[in-house]
Amino acid sequence: DVKVTQSSRYLVKRTGEKVFLECVQDMDHENMFWYRQDPGLGLRLIYFSYDVKMKEKGDIPEGYSVSREKKERFSLILESASTNQTSMYLCASSASDRGPYQPQHFGDGTRLSIL
Amino acid sequence: EDKVVQSPLSLVVHEGDTVTLNCSYEVTNFRSLLWYKQEKKAPTFLFMLTSSGIEKKSGRLSSILDKKELFSILNITATQTGDSAIYLCAAVDAGNNRKLIWGLGTSLAVNP
Repeated sequence: DVKVTQSSRYLVKRTGEKVFLECVQDMDHENMFWYRQDPGLGLRLIYFSYDVKMKEKGDIPEGYSVSREKKERFSLILESASTNQTSMYLCASSASDRGPYQPQHFGDGTRLSIL
Repeated sequence: EDKVVQSPLSLVVHEGDTVTLNCSYEVTNFRSLLWYKQEKKAPTFLFMLTSSGIEKKSGRLSSILDKKELFSILNITATQTGDSAIYLCAAVDAGNNRKLIWGLGTSLAVNP
């Protein structure tokens, strides 16, 4: 079974702090994704990565950056946290795009509160 | 603009009822449709549908795609309290299949 592990289930940080959310997958997947999920807005893609050191902006990248130094790990960085970044953050991974489409598999999420 | 619309947004049923969840899509370069179940935490993958008219089944859950009318349904028969969850559908864009187009989800509550 695919295992996507997010480092924290709950996190509380203060406005202006630099926040790191970590995600590790154990299935040698090429693609990794960061979403945020808010009531009434659904899942929105922040950034994704299709290879080590490669990244692409999703639909709402402002205020975020990412890092993928190793294939299994994808980090989301909030450069200067703000209260409107309080949300549930979900990491996902999927196998290569070559061949049949492979669905994304999700971690358990990090519920981040910015005070 | 591509979009996916799910209905109803929420639903409350009694154990043993049968439910049908709807997902309609407008995606220029449609490839496939995915269904996920989300309880308290991670969305878990249920089905992927690519061809019209072919039913996918897993236990009491089944799903089918209609590419002419641009929708999919997810059926749950003999519902149980453990079926309470948010059900999400997402469309895969053949032009950029790394970016899914997500619906807002249907929140299902099954009461004993």
